[in-house]
Amino acid sequence: GAGVSQSPSNKVTEKGKDVELRCDPISGHTALYWYRQSLGQGLEFLIYFQGNSAPDKSGLPSDRFSAERTGGSVSTLTIQRTQQEDSAVYLCASSPAGTGRNSPLHFGNGTRLTVT
Amino acid sequence: GQQLNQSPQSMFIQEGEDVSMNCTSSSIFNTWLWYKQEPGEGPVLLIALYKAGELTSNGRLTAQFGITRKDSFLNISASIPSDVGIYFCAGVSNSGYALNFGKGTSLLVTP
Repeated sequence: GAGVSQSPSNKVTEKGKDVELRCDPISGHTALYWYRQSLGQGLEFLIYFQGNSAPDKSGLPSDRFSAERTGGSVSTLTIQRTQQEDSAVYLCASSPAGTGRNSPLHFGNGTRLTVT
Repeated sequence: GQQLNQSPQSMFIQEGEDVSMNCTSSSIFNTWLWYKQEPGEGPVLLIALYKAGELTSNGRLTAQFGITRKDSFLNISASIPSDVGIYFCAGVSNSGYALNFGKGTSLLVTP
């Protein structure tokens, strides 16, 4: 079946511009996560959405980062006034519910963001 | 998030050799997961562990959830070229739900 879909797959932007990254989770999955992966690093948690609950934004690195999830499905990660240190691969993942025994995370292929 | 220490950072081995990598945490985890990531793709789940002491196999892969709940290891037996990739450990602590990831072990296998 269809997996987690992210777009665009690559994005090059100039420093100071805003960017929007999109994630289409697997249909029916209530939990959605955004992670950031810098070169040679592990995955850094950014934000978590679960159903209609308030999102956990504790991982967002600055107030330039924000995310929305409309209708409990598609999510958009927005980075305002991009900086060169924002360059990374942004990964989205979804799961049926939380991270319990029956809820493994399914990852998309990510958006590679390059800020010049 | 919680800090996970994963080692080794990289491994360069010959086809047929066995591989072992591990992950430790300063705090107790109630879930340990192992993922593999290939270039241009997102991580793919290999093995999930939910109970201290649990030993689980998936083909040539075997992983264990440490008794102390602060560590886990992954073994790959009889490696083949398609095992090449970056292997990440990930865990969920008692106090959270978001996965915390190690920095990965890069595996290269020569024929």
